[in-house]
Amino acid sequence: KAGVTQTPRYLIKTRGQQVTLSCSPISGHRSVSWYQQTPGQGLQFLFEYFSETQRNKGNFPGRFSGRQFSNSRSEMNVSTLELGDSALYLCASSLATDGTYEQYFGPGTRLTVT
Amino acid sequence: EDQVTQSPEALRLQEGESSSLNCSYTVSGLRGLFWYRQDPGKGPEFLFTLYSAGEEKEKERLKATLTKKESFLHITAPKPEDSATYLCAVQAGGSYIPTFGRGTSLIVHP
Repeated sequence: KAGVTQTPRYLIKTRGQQVTLSCSPISGHRSVSWYQQTPGQGLQFLFEYFSETQRNKGNFPGRFSGRQFSNSRSEMNVSTLELGDSALYLCASSLATDGTYEQYFGPGTRLTVT
Repeated sequence: EDQVTQSPEALRLQEGESSSLNCSYTVSGLRGLFWYRQDPGKGPEFLFTLYSAGEEKEKERLKATLTKKESFLHITAPKPEDSATYLCAVQAGGSYIPTFGRGTSLIVHP
């Protein structure tokens, strides 16, 4: 069974630009979550989508947004990039059934903002 | 507010030197506790889910245990390839979103 895939794997952008990251979940998984990981803050939850609806949202500014398509693939967008947005962005998918929430992570997208 | 604390932050072991990592949590209504392994620059790899106090799970040299306040990840006779950051996360109450700890960075020297 194929795992979670994320594209691109590496990205270099300039301050003020915007970026779109993509995530394809494990087949059959309907929940997709996004996390930002930095050395200083660890894993921070951005948002979660389930059946094309944003179900949960973390404490990030509105510059961070996302969406989920009918095939469960998800994208996240960051507008007006800042230097502090440099991080590893991780996508995780889950069946999210029976009350359990085992998440399976993709390899991440390393975003560098210069 | 749910809290997850992992200790130690970093651990250096000699190959074959067994040890344990700790994950203590303060949550209301634990639904699941998860352990992950993360190699540098990669996404976390799922290891175990524990649901109730007294539960134990094993995988190769790793064994995870759970009490009402904490979980331990025991590493028996570790090898250099066990070097990684180990993350703990808890799902509690009505939330679908796990709360992650900051992780323990493990280095095993040959």
